[in-house]
Order: sequence, then C-alpha cells, then structure tokens
Amino acid sequence: DADVTQTPRNRITKTGKRIMLECSQTKGHDRMYWYRQDPGLGLRLIYYSFDVKDINKGEISDGYSVSRQAQAKFSLSLESAIPNQTALYFCATSDLGRNYGYTFGSGTRLTVV
Amino acid sequence: RKEVEQDPGPFNVPEGATVAFNCTYSNSASQSFFWYRQDCRKEPKLLMSVYSSGNEDGRFTAQLNRASQYISLLIRDSKLSDSATYLCAVNAPRGDNNDMRFGAGTRLTVKP
Repeated sequence: DADVTQTPRNRITKTGKRIMLECSQTKGHDRMYWYRQDPGLGLRLIYYSFDVKDINKGEISDGYSVSRQAQAKFSLSLESAIPNQTALYFCATSDLGRNYGYTFGSGTRLTVV
Repeated sequence: RKEVEQDPGPFNVPEGATVAFNCTYSNSASQSFFWYRQDCRKEPKLLMSVYSSGNEDGRFTAQLNRASQYISLLIRDSKLSDSATYLCAVNAPRGDNNDMRFGAGTRLTVKP
C-alpha cells in the first residue's frame, strides 16, 4: 500500500458542485499539505497543517477549505467548483525537521466543466 | 518575481551527456533545499537534498550557492531513464511559518 493515498484518482465535476478530495497517510507524519499543479506554474501550496488542531493558508487558498480529521487524514474541499480549479492536486506529508523532504500522494486529476 | 525559478527547458541531450540545471530562490532566509524528479502524470519523488557543502549520489551532484541564491543539479552519463521533469524545492520561512516552495520544473529528455 502507498504511504500517502489520495482519492479519487480522477474526477470530472460540474461548475458549482461541491467536491472533496481525500488524503490519508501511514507514515506517521505530523505535517500534511495540499498543492495544485498547473502547466508552467508548478506546484502551488493551497493549505497545510502541522497537527490536528493547526490549519494554515498557503499561496492560493481562496475557493478551498480543508479539514484535518486525524493525524493521518487531511481533506480538501471545493465548496463551489469553477473551471479554473481544473488541475492536478497533490497531497504531501513531511516529518519534523527541516531537512526531510516531502512524500507525495499519487495525485487527483480534477476537471471542472 | 517568483520565489523559486527554473529554466523550463526542455533540455534534449544524447545518452551519456552531462547536463546541469539551475534553480534560483529569492528568500535569503531559506535553509532547506531539495531536488525532486517527476515523471509524466506522476507525483514528484525526492531525488536528493542539497547541503551547503554540496553532495553527490552516484551520477547526480547537487550544489548550493548561498551568495547568489541558487542551487544546481548535475547529471553525468545521462541515461534514457533520466528523462523526466526535475523540480527544485526551497523552504520559505516567514514569521512562524516555514513551508516549501517549488519551481515549475525543468524538463529533460535523454535520446538514444
């Protein structure tokens, strides 16, 4: 099983719909992140959480919300999806200590029509 | 100006070539640096951390230049399997927060 699991892998949804992307991890890491990736723009941070009671906005949090239900679970919600939220979304985890890199999930490809 | 910038490429090189990528960062307080490899439609995977003294892992060498605020990745004796997009990542300390910022990636294609 993957260390960081994202569901769904692919999703097509209509404008205005609410959608939730889920992420779970078995690495025991405290820190979890949501990024989106767009061609030419790279990975941009949406939200991050350093523990269950900690939620922080990233570079591009507008239109998104998150919930850290447990140490191992971090979900991303689009309350009312719009076409420019079409992107590849990645969840990532990291351990304490600044010299450890991130472990990414396999991504969710979201298309808003 | 973006916090982390990379030449997008693409770099097209023959097998066996040596290729180097640079990545510049704007936050002088950054202290953690990484290179990731991302295959098409896959997640980024950590390739190597970048240490102040420079570090090597087989055919890959990473270096940090704090004065000029850039990191580099050198790949020697390129293999077909090295074809991928290489992302640099730099931590971005600001106040109590310390998240990671990524470059947009440099695409490498190694040809026979």
